[in-house]
This record gives sequence, structure tokens and C-alpha cells, in this order.
Amino acid sequence: EAGVAQSPRYKIIEKRQSVAFWCNPISGHATLYWYQQILGQGPKLLIQFQNNGVVDDSQLPKDRFSAERLKGVDSTLKIQPAKLEDSAVYLCASSLPRGRGRYNEQFFGPGTRLTVL
Amino acid sequence: AQSVTQLDSQVPVFEEAPVELRCNYSSSVSVYLFWYVQYPNQGLQLLLKYLSGSTLVKGINGFEAEFNKSQTSFHLRKPSVHISDTAEYFCAVSEDQRNFNKFYFGSGTKLNVKP
Repeated sequence: EAGVAQSPRYKIIEKRQSVAFWCNPISGHATLYWYQQILGQGPKLLIQFQNNGVVDDSQLPKDRFSAERLKGVDSTLKIQPAKLEDSAVYLCASSLPRGRGRYNEQFFGPGTRLTVL
Repeated sequence: AQSVTQLDSQVPVFEEAPVELRCNYSSSVSVYLFWYVQYPNQGLQLLLKYLSGSTLVKGINGFEAEFNKSQTSFHLRKPSVHISDTAEYFCAVSEDQRNFNKFYFGSGTKLNVKP
């Protein structure tokens, strides 16, 4: 079974530039998560999708971050414009929908390491 | 969860020695508890989880954890560590929201196993 795919693996940009990350979840996983992991910290949930609808984006800085999940499969996370403090690893994860059980395991991709100069 | 606290940022230990990585949480709703491991330049991998039932849960690679509701703790243990266990370990809590699970992670503990 193929895992969660993310691209690019690494990205270096200057502040005020824009950047986008792509995630392809495991086939059949309706729930998709984007996390931000700053160096020395644990992952922080930015946004959670169920199919193509948002169920939680309470920690997404909406003035500069946006995410979409067209057709309920792939997802993109965009930062526009980037700030120095956005330097982090951006992790994507997916799981089966909660309706098939009160909890379903999250599977994580390898992440995209963003450096903002 | 209001917070997930991993009390030790780094834990050095010699090979074949026992280890305990500590995790405490606070929450006003029912929770599920997890430990994940992260190797360099890789994503997170689930070690074990507590959903219900027995408070002692066993995971992969010989790890186990015990849920203590009164102390709101979920400490991870291994009786004898190997060099290959060197990695960063994250405790996580999932809060049972109305129609989804909301996840919170601790800040991580780096386990450094020395020969």
C-alpha cells in the first residue's frame, strides 16, 4: 500500500515570497490533516479536512495560509506571503473517516522542510 | 487538550538499559492517547495507542505505555533499549469533538542511546 506522498521535500524561499505544498493521501482516506512542525516543537495541527470540507482550521493563520482539497483527494497548502517564522516542516497525514470507528490511525507523509530567508 | 507536556526534552541512556519517557496532559473531555516516533528526515510513525480497556498498552519495537487517569499521564517505557531506538518521541492526545477527533502533540523527547 502506497503511503502519504508529499512534495517538494525541501523548499528555500525569501520572505514575502509565496510557496505551495502538495499532499496525496493514502487511497480511500477521506480525512486529511496538515501540520506545522517548528524546530524543537511538536507538530501543530493547521487544518483538517473530511473529504473536501474543512472540519477544523482554528489554528490556521488565515491572513497568509490557505489550503484546499479539491475533489476530496489531493490537497495543497499555500503560504502567501511567507515570513521568517514560517520556517518549519509541514507534515501531511491521512486517515479513514471517523464514521467507520470513533478513531482511525493517522498515517504521516515525510514532510516538506521550508526555509524562509 | 489544554496541553500535552513532555517533561524531558532529551534523554540519554546506555544500550540495554531501561528507559521511561514521561507525558502528562490536561483535557476536560474524553481523550485517546498515542506515542509516535520520528526518525531523522522522516514522518511520524505510530508506536502505540490507548483507546479504552486495559491501561497498559503494548506497541511495536518492545515499547509499552501505561495510562493513569488520576495523574493524567501516559508514560512510555522500554525495559532494554537498542541503538536503533535513537529517535525523537512524541506524545499525542486526541480529543473527542462532536464530529471529529482533534489532535494535540507534545514538544517531543529526543532519546539518545549510547553504546
